[in-house]
Amino acid sequence: IAGITQAPTSQILAAGRRMTLRCTQDMRHNAMYWYRQDLGLGLRLIHYSNTAGTTGKGEVPDGYSVSRANTDDFPLTLASAVPSQTSVYFCASSVSGGEQFFGPGTRLTVL
Amino acid sequence: AQSVTQLGSHVSVSEGALVLLRCNYSSSVPPYLFWYVQYPNQGLQLLLKYTTGATLVKGINGFEAEFKKSETSFHLTKPSAHMSDAAEYFCAVRGTSYGKLTFGQGTILTVHP
Repeated sequence: IAGITQAPTSQILAAGRRMTLRCTQDMRHNAMYWYRQDLGLGLRLIHYSNTAGTTGKGEVPDGYSVSRANTDDFPLTLASAVPSQTSVYFCASSVSGGEQFFGPGTRLTVL
Repeated sequence: AQSVTQLGSHVSVSEGALVLLRCNYSSSVPPYLFWYVQYPNQGLQLLLKYTTGATLVKGINGFEAEFKKSETSFHLTKPSAHMSDAAEYFCAVRGTSYGKLTFGQGTILTVHP
């Protein structure tokens, strides 16, 4: 069982480019989340999805979009990347009210 | 609304010494509280959680935490530190059983031989 996979592992991106971070889980969890981790700020929620077909905004949604076409996949898109989006991005999933399981992360650098 | 404050961004202990990582929270509803650990270049792993019931919660790797409502605290302890405990630790709060986590800033634990 893979749990949660994220791709790519790391990426260097020019400012203004479009980028999609991929997240796939095989645990059939209904809820999925995207966080960014920045030094001294902990993890901050970007977007979430309580079930396939629905999404919601978290604490820091600006500049990001998500979709949830099915249970397993929850891609995060940066339409036009900016340097302030340099961060480590974590995807997580859970059953309703349950423990969140985290992926290994994607390290993104925007130049 | 909910928030978490972890007191001390860095904590250093000697191997065999007591580990105490502090966490205070605020929540407008009865909280669900969590401690996660992150080893270098890895994702987060759940150490323990408090939902309801017993206020002293035991987790993996010998860690435990006590929910103190009167102090709005959920401090993480371990009686004897091991070198393998060196990592970053995050406290998190969830305000409802079906809600989003709010994380603290993290505490980096260093263990000296």
